[in-house]
Amino acid sequence: EAGVAQSPRYKIIEKRQSVAFWCNPISGHATLYWYQQILGQGPKLLIQFQNNGVVDDSQLPKDRFSAERLKGVDSTLKIQPAKLEDSAVYLCASSIGTSISDTQYFGPGTRLTVL
Amino acid sequence: KQEVTQIPAALSVPEGENLVLNCSFTDSAIYNLQWFRQDPGKGLTSLLLIQSSQREQTSGRLNASLDKSSGRSTLYIAASQPGDSATYLCAVTNTGNQFYFGTGTSLTVIP
Repeated sequence: EAGVAQSPRYKIIEKRQSVAFWCNPISGHATLYWYQQILGQGPKLLIQFQNNGVVDDSQLPKDRFSAERLKGVDSTLKIQPAKLEDSAVYLCASSIGTSISDTQYFGPGTRLTVL
Repeated sequence: KQEVTQIPAALSVPEGENLVLNCSFTDSAIYNLQWFRQDPGKGLTSLLLIQSSQREQTSGRLNASLDKSSGRSTLYIAASQPGDSATYLCAVTNTGNQFYFGTGTSLTVIP
């Protein structure tokens, strides 16, 4: 079974630029999560989708971050414009069910550096 | 808001030693608690999940316990091996379906 795929693996941009990350979850998984993990901290949930609907985006900085999951499959997370404090690893995860207690399978992450 | 803390932040032990990692949380109204392993450059792997009604879960050399009333969980690793070197994260699911990770413990097992 293929795992969660993310691209790119690394991205370096200057502040005020825009960037987009892509995630392809495990086939058939209903729920998709985006997390932000700042160096030395645990991951913080940014947004949770069930199929193509948003379940929780309470910790997403909506003035600069946006995410979509068209057709309930893959997803993109965008930052526009980026700030220095956005430097982090962005993790995507998926789970087969719709409960947040279901086992989540994580992708390798995208490491973003904002200069 | 739920606060999840892990102590110590880093730990080095010689191979073969038994060790305990700690996780504490401030809000005891949790649905479950999970322990994850994170290897450098890779995603997280779920190790153990304990439901709020359970006291412990075991998988191989790993044993996780949960004391919900005191807001604590421990992950016990028996007979540690160099391959156990990784960052270990605990995460709680609140009854409000919100998911919070701890700060992580970086473990190094020295051959």
